[in-house]
Amino acid sequence: DTAVSQTPKYLVTQMGNDKSIKCEQNLGHDTMYWYKQDSKKFLKIMFSYNNKELIINETVPNRFSPKSPDKAHLNLHINSLELGDSAVYFCASSRGGREYYGYTFGSGTRLTVV
Amino acid sequence: AQTVTQSQPEMSVQEAETVTLSCTYDTSESDYYLFWYKQPPSRQMILVIRQEAYKQQNATENRFSVNFQKAAKSFSLKISDSQLGDAAMYFCAYSGNEKLTFGTGTRLTIIP
Repeated sequence: DTAVSQTPKYLVTQMGNDKSIKCEQNLGHDTMYWYKQDSKKFLKIMFSYNNKELIINETVPNRFSPKSPDKAHLNLHINSLELGDSAVYFCASSRGGREYYGYTFGSGTRLTVV
Repeated sequence: AQTVTQSQPEMSVQEAETVTLSCTYDTSESDYYLFWYKQPPSRQMILVIRQEAYKQQNATENRFSVNFQKAAKSFSLKISDSQLGDAAMYFCAYSGNEKLTFGTGTRLTIIP
């Protein structure tokens, strides 16, 4: 039973395309996140949703649009993909707020834009 | 804004020896949590250990322990009896009000 599952695990696409990454958690957590890990392994938060409501929106190009149909799902849609979007994208979930238990992460989606 | 600094991009240790990874952070909050995550080549993010800021006692999890110095804003990870499976990127992370902020990571190599 995967706690946080992301699909696909790998995604190779051409510049200019539109793609989506899906994330689902079965932990009953209220808050979900998208993190981007760049080529130097730096992890930076992109978005956070709490019970379907957007609560964190870092400085991210508006080509990136998160969508949360319910609190167990948080999808990431990317329009007009660019070479610089190549990275590993992690979905995570938590109970929300000050988080003693840490976040539970999905296994990541490696996006390669060619 | 909170920042997390890991000053050692790479570390190596002989198998069965002990290694300490450094982490400092900056915050104006008094109530927060600190974590160490491990990322092996499989890229899965694995929680290694956690510490509550209001607890003075250092957290331990089997071979992993921390040295938490709140006044100095320091949170180092000690790995005892290093094993080949410990080879990974290690990330220090801070959790305050809303989000988990990561350091830049330390790549740990285990020498057989």
